[in-house]
Amino acid sequence: GENVEQHPSTLSVQEGDSAVIKCTYSDSASNYFPWYKQELGKRPQLIIDIRSNVGEKKDQRIAVTLNKTAKHFSLHITETQPEDSAVYFCAGGGSNYKLTFGKGTLLTVNP
Amino acid sequence: DGGITQSPKYLFRKEGQNVTLSCEQNLNHDAMYWYRQDPGQGLRLIYYSQIVNDFQKGDIAEGYSVSREKKESFPLTVTSAQKNPTAFYLCASSTGQGAFYEQYFGPGTRLTVT
Repeated sequence: GENVEQHPSTLSVQEGDSAVIKCTYSDSASNYFPWYKQELGKRPQLIIDIRSNVGEKKDQRIAVTLNKTAKHFSLHITETQPEDSAVYFCAGGGSNYKLTFGKGTLLTVNP
Repeated sequence: DGGITQSPKYLFRKEGQNVTLSCEQNLNHDAMYWYRQDPGQGLRLIYYSQIVNDFQKGDIAEGYSVSREKKESFPLTVTSAQKNPTAFYLCASSTGQGAFYEQYFGPGTRLTVT
């Protein structure tokens, strides 16, 4: 089955800096890669996703890149703000329509 | 945030008892999912259902059972066979079949078994 590795497990940045979280996946048949944000005590919410026919996708301060050959994808957050502090999860999904999640990255943005 | 609910928010049970967690959605979504969240482990898929009266095992289905008799409901039973049932359980739903769409999560149920 699919295996998704996520790094780093914790990330601390200064407000205004950029943050990058990386994930690798094992199943070459995977074709959908979402990123979820979970604030403390709240439910996970989708922030951005990318499909395998696209190499990069941007939404304001958030971008995701996908390298299918290397089987890795990354989340980039620019101009970080304290409200970006949360746990971020990457996931990968393929033909069986189930998602496999990474273990999460705790991002702390220091004012 | 509305549209998918889980109850109760906290649940306490004695070891050896089965317990059923509720998940209801009014989003008219076809697909529903159950995940288990443990500290440092991410979200692990227990069971999922793409259509009424059909469901598939996820990665950690042992000791759990589900039913999908109605489109809006996907209850999860944690049986006494589950060796380590204390965890945070999240239900999710998504629209459509045969493709990936955004999963909407419920608020979760924290189960403690002693």
